[in-house]
Amino acid sequence: DIQMTQSPSSLSAFVGDRVTITCHASRDIGDRLNWYQHQPGKAPRLLIYDASRLQMGVPSRFSAAGSGTDFTFTITYLQPEDVATYYCHQYHTLPPVFGGGTKVEIK
Amino acid sequence: EVVLMESGGGLEQPGGSLTLSCVASGFSFRDYAMGWVRQAPGKGLEWVATITGLGDAPYYAEFAKRRFTIYRDNSRNKVYLQMKGLRVDDTATYYCAKDRGYNWNFFDNWGQGAQVTVSS
Repeated sequence: DIQMTQSPSSLSAFVGDRVTITCHASRDIGDRLNWYQHQPGKAPRLLIYDASRLQMGVPSRFSAAGSGTDFTFTITYLQPEDVATYYCHQYHTLPPVFGGGTKVEIK
Repeated sequence: EVVLMESGGGLEQPGGSLTLSCVASGFSFRDYAMGWVRQAPGKGLEWVATITGLGDAPYYAEFAKRRFTIYRDNSRNKVYLQMKGLRVDDTATYYCAKDRGYNWNFFDNWGQGAQVTVSS
């Protein structure tokens, strides 16, 4: 199975800060990666698909990049409503695998 | 608007069985694969199973093979997850999710989740 290593596991930042999360795949997955936001008690929400494409309706302060084995996810201007756990997810090869998650909090 | 609503969760003893249901609306159900993802307490997301639009090809995580069965009823816009031989470590919130295409790919819409607790 492909392993997805996500870092950091948690972070705390100020409102308005730029936040970056990284995800490393154990082998080349091309652009078959997406990013989800999961808030407690809510359904997970797709933010980014195909490594860098913004899902319809998602604010433009969310962005992502990368291909192959190394990927990044960025929130350019952190908002209070962005408090959540963020997961990368590979869909290049079965089984699809999620990263371990990054819990984002506000200082 | 895509809406997915799970039901059938609850408390079950180890070794028991439970079937989760998910009713979908807001899209052409038979044209999309559907699946289940779970989250154990304090843990991350874990894929469980996916089934293609017409139900002709199910895919399972290794832990789900031989114990779980995913199936669908396109006449009712429903997908199911039958779970047998439940173990304590199957305790989790189980999310129903819609795939972006006919075959397995990634999930673009999710339900609110159904809680499954396995305990004696």
